[in-house]
Amino acid sequence: DQQVKQNSPSLSVQEGRISILNCDYTNSMFDYFLWYKKYPAEGPTFLISISSIKDKNEDGRFTVFLNKSAKHLSLHIVPSQPGDSAVYFCAATDTGTASKLTFGTGTRLQVTL
Amino acid sequence: NAGVTQTPKFQVLKTGQSMTLQCAQDMNHEYMSWYRQDPGMGLRLIHYSVGAGITDQGEVPNGYNVSRSTTEDFPLRLLSAAPSQTSVYFCASRTNYGYTFGSGTRLTVV
Repeated sequence: DQQVKQNSPSLSVQEGRISILNCDYTNSMFDYFLWYKKYPAEGPTFLISISSIKDKNEDGRFTVFLNKSAKHLSLHIVPSQPGDSAVYFCAATDTGTASKLTFGTGTRLQVTL
Repeated sequence: NAGVTQTPKFQVLKTGQSMTLQCAQDMNHEYMSWYRQDPGMGLRLIHYSVGAGITDQGEVPNGYNVSRSTTEDFPLRLLSAAPSQTSVYFCASRTNYGYTFGSGTRLTVV
């Protein structure tokens, strides 16, 4: 049972436009959500996170939105840049369980010129 | 400050061989974890530790052992390698906002 789902395996966006990556979860105990970016042959790097007490968190070009009632979160990248091309993983955790992360399957973003 | 260091970066094993994947962190983090990444499956938790001397199983623990004798080190042992353990393995330690990952070990079992 996949508790964190990223239903779009890939996404292609033009440079300068908005990239929107989506993530759905099923476990209502999850209360903290993270996005990681991964380049080939490297480990995932932390991008941005959001607690369930918020519905939005911004960090520069990156914004994460959380809709708890729909069990849905999204990552917006504005404007998209070629260096953003990578695989993006959504992750979730119940902070009462030693912060074990449950990951989605990832979305490969390609930003074209 | 090297962060999370994993060795080796690549390894080829024969079925039935054993080996240890090394992980070390210099940030004095209590929480450490091992994940494996397989195509189309994201990252799955193998084992984790909440401090020296304390470990527990994650989602896919079979075939793997861990120990945590020091805060810095969290080795992952494959007892008898199987082709199903061909994967990329990531070690991570927890920061205030999430986890910092090592660069990974690509393991092939033939």
